[in-house]
Amino acid sequence: GAGVSQSPSNKVTEKGKDVELRCDPISGHTALYWYRQSLGQGLEFLIYFQGNSAPDKSGLPSDRFSAERTGGSVSTLTIQRTQQEDSAVYLCASSPGFVEQFFGPGTRLTVL
Amino acid sequence: GDSVTQMEGPVTLSEEAFLTINCTYTATGYPSLFWYVQYPGEGLQLLLKATKADDKGSNKGFEATYRKETTSFHLEKGSVQVSDSAVYFCALTGQGGAQKLVFGQGTRLTINP
Repeated sequence: GAGVSQSPSNKVTEKGKDVELRCDPISGHTALYWYRQSLGQGLEFLIYFQGNSAPDKSGLPSDRFSAERTGGSVSTLTIQRTQQEDSAVYLCASSPGFVEQFFGPGTRLTVL
Repeated sequence: GDSVTQMEGPVTLSEEAFLTINCTYTATGYPSLFWYVQYPGEGLQLLLKATKADDKGSNKGFEATYRKETTSFHLEKGSVQVSDSAVYFCALTGQGGAQKLVFGQGTRLTINP
């Protein structure tokens, strides 16, 4: 069956611009996670959704970062006024609510 | 807070060598433990997991045993192949709540023929 998909696969933007990253989880998975993978910080948790609610946003690094999930499915991570330190691979994962999380291929964001 | 410490890489071995990648953790309660693998150009994949003390996770010839007394979850394989070249991440999820993954820093493994 279809796995987690993310778009775009690559995004190059200029400092100060806003970007939107999309995640399509596996159908029926109620839990959705965003992580960030960067050279300096490794793999870090950003935000967790259960359905359309985000009970844990503790990993969002600043108020420039926000995310939403609609219809218990697609999620969008938005970064406003991008900075060079935002350059990273942004990973989305979904879970049926049990132990295992299934990861998408990631979006590589480069801020010039 | 919860944390995971992995053996630093990179690790380079010859084909058919024995592999150990050390992983220790700090967590309250009884976390679930995981090894994820990232092959070149691919996304993160779950390699194996263990959800309680003394459980052994195994997959593709890899094994790891959840040792609560030493707070460890070392990854082992008896005979590595070139196709095992990848980055390996040890991770945990705490009890309850978001079940968010806390990752180690990753270990890059290269197997030479």
